[in-house]
Amino acid sequence: NAGVTQTPKFRILKIGQSMTLQCTQDMNHNYMYWYRQDPGMGLKLIYYSVGAGITDKGEVPNGYNVSRSTTEDFPLRLELAAPSQTSVYFCASSPPTGAGYTFGSGTRLTVV
Amino acid sequence: TQLLEQSPQFLSIQEGENLTVYCNSSSVFSSLQWYRQEPGEGPVLLVTVVTGGEVKKLKRLTFQFGDARKDSSLHITAAQTGDTGLYLCAGRGSSNTGKLIFGQGTTLQVKP
Repeated sequence: NAGVTQTPKFRILKIGQSMTLQCTQDMNHNYMYWYRQDPGMGLKLIYYSVGAGITDKGEVPNGYNVSRSTTEDFPLRLELAAPSQTSVYFCASSPPTGAGYTFGSGTRLTVV
Repeated sequence: TQLLEQSPQFLSIQEGENLTVYCNSSSVFSSLQWYRQEPGEGPVLLVTVVTGGEVKKLKRLTFQFGDARKDSSLHITAAQTGDTGLYLCAGRGSSNTGKLIFGQGTTLQVKP
């Protein structure tokens, strides 16, 4: 099984540009999440989804948007990129049973 | 807001030494998980503890959940160079969204 697949692996954006980080999972998990990881700060939740058509804000949602049209896909959209969005972004999925997350390998984004 | 504080943030030890990482909160969690992350990869689940006072062993790693379900510890016996990485604790609250609150992480370096 592929698990959780994130693309791209690396990206450099100019201030004000937009992009979509892709995330897809093949485990039929209902729950999906987007986190950002900054040095010494752990993982901060951006958005999450408990099923297709249902999304909600996490701890740090400003500057981001998500959609969940299918169980498999949970893209994260950055509009008007800012230097503060320079980070490593992780997508994760889990079943609703309280089991652990399966993470993707991350997208390293730099905004210059 | 629920917070998890990990200590220490950095740990550099010689191969063969023992170590303990702590994860503390003023909030009660329904379960707590430990993840290990290697550079360039997403975190990987090590263990989930659910019951207050629970102790789980995974080879040389021992995980404990506090009696009040507010804190946890990870003890590694006879550390090996392969244990090097970032260790993250994550707590789940009482909601049914599956959301995890992550600690800021402990970077462990085991020198040969």
